Amino acid sequence: KNEVEQSPQNLTAQEGEFITINCSYSVGISALHWLQQHPGGGIVSLFMLSSGKKKHGRLIATINIQEKHSSLHITASHPRDSAVYICAVTDSWGKLQFGAGTQVVVTP
Amino acid sequence: DAGVTQSPTHLIKTRGQQVTLRCSPKSGHDTVSWYQQALGQGPQFIFQYYEEEERQRGNFPDRFSGHQFPNYSSELNVNALLLGDSALYLCASSLGSGTGGVYGYTFGSGTRLTVV
Repeated sequence: KNEVEQSPQNLTAQEGEFITINCSYSVGISALHWLQQHPGGGIVSLFMLSSGKKKHGRLIATINIQEKHSSLHITASHPRDSAVYICAVTDSWGKLQFGAGTQVVVTP
Repeated sequence: DAGVTQSPTHLIKTRGQQVTLRCSPKSGHDTVSWYQQALGQGPQFIFQYYEEEERQRGNFPDRFSGHQFPNYSSELNVNALLLGDSALYLCASSLGSGTGGVYGYTFGSGTRLTVV
């Protein structure tokens, strides 16, 4: 069983809709990361969280340490938000464990 | 400021051959981690190098080996290639072994390896 679980696996939204991706983990962590991967393969770090909530533009990430759960929200989604969004956690040794990713497609 | 640079971007090899992938970390970073990402899956940790030593290793066979140079750049070597080794190989750099959770990671664009 993967120690980092994401849902949904796939998500299609219309432009302007609010999108939520969820992540649950079962290991002790020092941080949780939300990453974005485009078809070319390169990964961009969106957020690094150890508590609370962070906001960057239309993206919001929250984490509940007690419940071992995090969410990534995209407000007013746009076709350029189409990508794979990956949740990853850092253990105490700095090793990243990844979820399987959520494929997001935003249609005009 | 250059980010993480990986080379080559694409590679095709035959079963049984050996391959070397290269990674230059972001300026100021001293730790390099390697990941294997099969199609449609999340990346899997291969190993991490810090101070020219392998500090951690994931569940990969000894056919996978690496090296870190004094300038912090790193190589991933895979011997006796199998069809199942076909994947995107990602390199991520960070500052200080075990502190990636504090300072974050910078990822390269990956090397797409196809074994035929």
